[in-house]
Amino acid sequence: GQQLNQSPQSMFIQEGEDVSMNCTSSSIFNTWLWYKQDPGEGPVLLIALYKAGELTSNGRLTAQFGITRKDSFLNISASIPSDVGIYFCAGQLNSWGKLQFGAGTQVVVTP
Amino acid sequence: NAGVTQTPKFQVLKTGQSMTLQCAQDMNHNSMYWYRQDPGMGLRLIYYSASEGTTDKGEVPNGYNVSRLNKREFSLRLESAAPSQTSVYFCASRTPGQGFPGELFFGEGSRLTVL
Repeated sequence: GQQLNQSPQSMFIQEGEDVSMNCTSSSIFNTWLWYKQDPGEGPVLLIALYKAGELTSNGRLTAQFGITRKDSFLNISASIPSDVGIYFCAGQLNSWGKLQFGAGTQVVVTP
Repeated sequence: NAGVTQTPKFQVLKTGQSMTLQCAQDMNHNSMYWYRQDPGMGLRLIYYSASEGTTDKGEVPNGYNVSRLNKREFSLRLESAAPSQTSVYFCASRTPGQGFPGELFFGEGSRLTVL
């Protein structure tokens, strides 16, 4: 089946720093999504990308759908303590298909 | 709005015991899913139900059974729990083709420990 590789596995950053993480796939997707999981909660959708090359922002978050359709990245600018959590990428081949999740990037923000 | 509600939130079982995780959604979604989350492995799909009356295996179905009781409810059963089933379980729902394609709505999770 499809393999999603998400990196880095974890990041320890200082408040105010920028964060960057990415996902690569062995196969193409037509949709890339980025979820965030706060401690003790279920994942919540942050950004959805539907077209190769698309760059989308949501506040301090920016995500891009790679031109090859096999990768995506997420940037968080000027991190704050509430950015702590696990960030998951997910890919989908079509709107009726199942999501394939990456292993997650654990983000820890220190003051 | 409740969204997706899972019970119980925590459970400790002994090897060989059985239990059922309950999930209910109030968003009138057609599709429901059960995932397990393990450190370093992300979310892996156990079973899903594309619509009321249908269920299908996901990536890791062994040791589990599911029931789509009605449109709102989707339960996950462990018939004979094993330590390898120690995990956090998430129920999720969506209606494909509506809203943001691919967006799943997750419950808060059920943390299961099998001794």
